[in-house]
Order: sequence, then C-alpha cells, then structure tokens
Amino acid sequence: GEDVEQSLFLSVREGDSSVINCTYTDSSSTYLYWYKQEPGAGLQLLTYIFSNMDMKQDQRLTVLLNKKDKHLSLRIADTQTGDSAIYFCAEIQPGGYQKVTFGIGTKLQVIP
Amino acid sequence: DAGVIQSPRHEVTEMGQEVTLRCKPISGHNSLFWYRQTMMRGLELLIYFNNNVPIDDSGMPEDRFSAKMPNASFSTLKIQPSEPRDSAVYFCASSPTDQGEQYFGPGTRLTVT
Repeated sequence: GEDVEQSLFLSVREGDSSVINCTYTDSSSTYLYWYKQEPGAGLQLLTYIFSNMDMKQDQRLTVLLNKKDKHLSLRIADTQTGDSAIYFCAEIQPGGYQKVTFGIGTKLQVIP
Repeated sequence: DAGVIQSPRHEVTEMGQEVTLRCKPISGHNSLFWYRQTMMRGLELLIYFNNNVPIDDSGMPEDRFSAKMPNASFSTLKIQPSEPRDSAVYFCASSPTDQGEQYFGPGTRLTVT
C-alpha cells in the first residue's frame, strides 16, 4: 500500500538544528523526496535520495534513510527564520508511471 | 526559464458557475500533473499527463471535473458546475523525468461561494 506519514508541526529556535521525520509503507519505493512549501507558493524540490543510499548531505541539509524501518528524516543545520515553511516527504513507486505519494506536510516554525 | 505558469492566481466564483484553470508547463517537460491542496486532505493528485496523454485520472473527484492537454505547452482543468467544496488551491506541476522531480507552479486559489 501507499502511505506517507509525517508529524504536523515542529517548532525550533533560530540557530538550532531541525529534524523532520517521515515514515512510508512501500518498501519498493525507489526514490524519496523532500519538498518545501513557503506561504502562498507551490512546492519546491529540496533534495532527494535513492533508496539504495543511507545518507545524503547538501550544505545545511542532511537526509537520512533507514530502509529497514522505512524511516526518512531531514535535518536542517543552523535553522534560520527563512526555513519556516511546510516540508513534504514524498515517495515514488517503481514501474508503470511516476506516481508520487506526498505526506501531509510538517509545518516548521522557527522562533527568532 | 519562467517556471510553471498558472492562471489565474485567484478565482472567486459563485456556486454553479464554470471555472477554468490554466497551466503552461516548463518547456521540454513531458509530464504534467494537476493537484488540489486543502487543509483537510492535504495534497491530492487529480490527473497526470505524459506526452499530452492522460495516464491516470483516478484522482479526479467526479464528472464535474475535466482536464485537457491539447499540446505540450498548455493544459486546462475545468470544473462545471462548481460547488463550495471545490474551494482549494490547485497546483499544476511539470517534470522532465520519470523520477518524481516535479516543478510546481504558484497555484490558483479557488473560492466558490
């Protein structure tokens, strides 16, 4: 089945690290994604990870994948007020066509 | 590149009226998606086109909704007749690959009174 779950809300202080978590149910997922949505805007692809990787780092962003537990996380180092947004986890199933399943989104609030 | 272009950005209409939302994907992208976003249901895929052909329309709520893609650079989503429960933000996204890398437009905020 297809289901991507995320917590709804996370609040952190500016300068701290943020960790946004996601669980998925389809073990055959080939790619997993993190998208960011700022107020009044569409989703923007932040980063993605192949299912055969454990970790991917891109500047302040670190993605960790635990395939055994079907758990994906996004760590934002030195969180800034500009990081305040909704973060969506998404997975894509192999075969057929690129059906992407999005989570409900985690709203990150950064407190100055 | 201008990115995915959607129009209008905001639409307010009365129940029963026809609504047409428009999308211009990024040039060269062969996949196009229409999504609906609400607080209650989050982001829902309505329909997916590949090379202008509808591949999956299982997310289209009912017959009042229809989508077309007459060419690679234009798509429409039509609601006729519109109802208050259709109020949402409608996003168009396009993709150059088959790996879920999608580029979203700014969305159309639809309010049906």
